[in-house]
Amino acid sequence: ETGVTQSPTHLIKTRGQQVTLRCSSQSGHNTVSWYQQALGQGPQFIFQYYREEENGRGNFPPRFSGLQFPNYSSELNVNALELDDSALYLCASSLVGSGANVLTFGAGSRLTVL
Amino acid sequence: DQQVKQNSPSLSVQEGRISILNCDYTNSMFDYFLWYKKYPAEGPTFLISISSIKDKNEDGRFTVFLNKSAKHLSLHIVPSQPGDSAVYFCAASGRGGADGLTFGKGTHLIIQP
Repeated sequence: ETGVTQSPTHLIKTRGQQVTLRCSSQSGHNTVSWYQQALGQGPQFIFQYYREEENGRGNFPPRFSGLQFPNYSSELNVNALELDDSALYLCASSLVGSGANVLTFGAGSRLTVL
Repeated sequence: DQQVKQNSPSLSVQEGRISILNCDYTNSMFDYFLWYKKYPAEGPTFLISISSIKDKNEDGRFTVFLNKSAKHLSLHIVPSQPGDSAVYFCAASGRGGADGLTFGKGTHLIIQP
């Protein structure tokens, strides 16, 4: 059973650029969600995808967008990068109907915006 | 406004003793509470959860207690082992889960030999 894998592990961008982060869900999971973890903070919910549609969103602006593909892999896109977007971005997958909303996380993509 | 709070940034416990990590919440609509453990350079890993209709759940060395009237939960680890040294996050979920998990800031547990 493969877990959640994310790429790239680290990247550096400059303010105003755009970035795409990728995620492969755990086998058998049908829901993917993305979280932003700033230094010294807990992960913050960005959005969730189920059946290739966004079905939940946290308090993040529209320049944060995503996609879920038929094979349940996912992308997170961030446009017009700001310095405060520097963080660890975590992808998580889960199975709808599993009760406690237990998420399986990847190791994350660390984004630095200069 | 933080809906899930972990007021202790760090906790040091001697190996073999009990570790108690605390968490408070403000939203009475939360349906499930979960604890995650995170090592450096790894993603958070699920430890244990509890439904809002229960007051205790046990899994091996880990027990979570929920006090709904006080909006407080705690994670007990007995006995503490060196491999338990990590950051522990308390998280809460509403019914259905489409609003994601709301996390606290974490508590760094250090197990002293």
